[in-house]
Amino acid sequence: GAVVSQHPSWVICKSGTSVKIECRSLDFQATTMFWYRQFPKQSLMLMATSNEGSKATYEQGVEKDKFLINHASLTLSTLTVTSAHPEDSSFYICSARSLAGAIGNEQFFGPGTRLTVL
Amino acid sequence: KQEVTQIPAALSVPEGENLVLNCSFTDSAIYNLQWFRQDPGKGLTSLLLIQSSQREQTSGRLNASLDKSSGRSTLYIAASQPGDSATYLCAVNRGNRLAFGKGNQVVVIP
Repeated sequence: GAVVSQHPSWVICKSGTSVKIECRSLDFQATTMFWYRQFPKQSLMLMATSNEGSKATYEQGVEKDKFLINHASLTLSTLTVTSAHPEDSSFYICSARSLAGAIGNEQFFGPGTRLTVL
Repeated sequence: KQEVTQIPAALSVPEGENLVLNCSFTDSAIYNLQWFRQDPGKGLTSLLLIQSSQREQTSGRLNASLDKSSGRSTLYIAASQPGDSATYLCAVNRGNRLAFGKGNQVVVIP
């Protein structure tokens, strides 16, 4: 149980294009999903927290107009990197917390999406 | 702001030796602490989760301890195997966010 998927697993795009990454909870409902970014040899950094049906909360320094997050259902959240540039190349990982989960409960992680912007 | 530090950053051990990985955090007001494994280019695999009220958790060859008052956790891996080679991440849960360390990169030499 508690499986989270991401699609695509990797993507290569040209500078200036937009890329959408999907995060799905496959066997549970997630009221809250989290988006992280990881640069090589670095730790995971939280980008934003999204709750189903409401606007995402972004961490300091993360541009909300560049990283658009939509959490339209209890099983799907999407991250769109708009007008991507080479510095956006990174490993993006999502996680989900179940509908029944209290605020301190476990997050379940997706397998990640490798974005390379040429 | 919660700071999470993992020491050592990297280590190599011969097969069969026990591994000891350390994690320290600055704010003891946590819900739980979790250890993950990450293989190169891959996502996170959850290994152990210790609730704030617990002192340790065990799974097979893995044992994790938690001393909340001193802000420390230790992951022990007994009788290491080459398949244990990976980066191990410690994450502290303060409610609506996880704070991660940079990881312990482990190489087990056959």
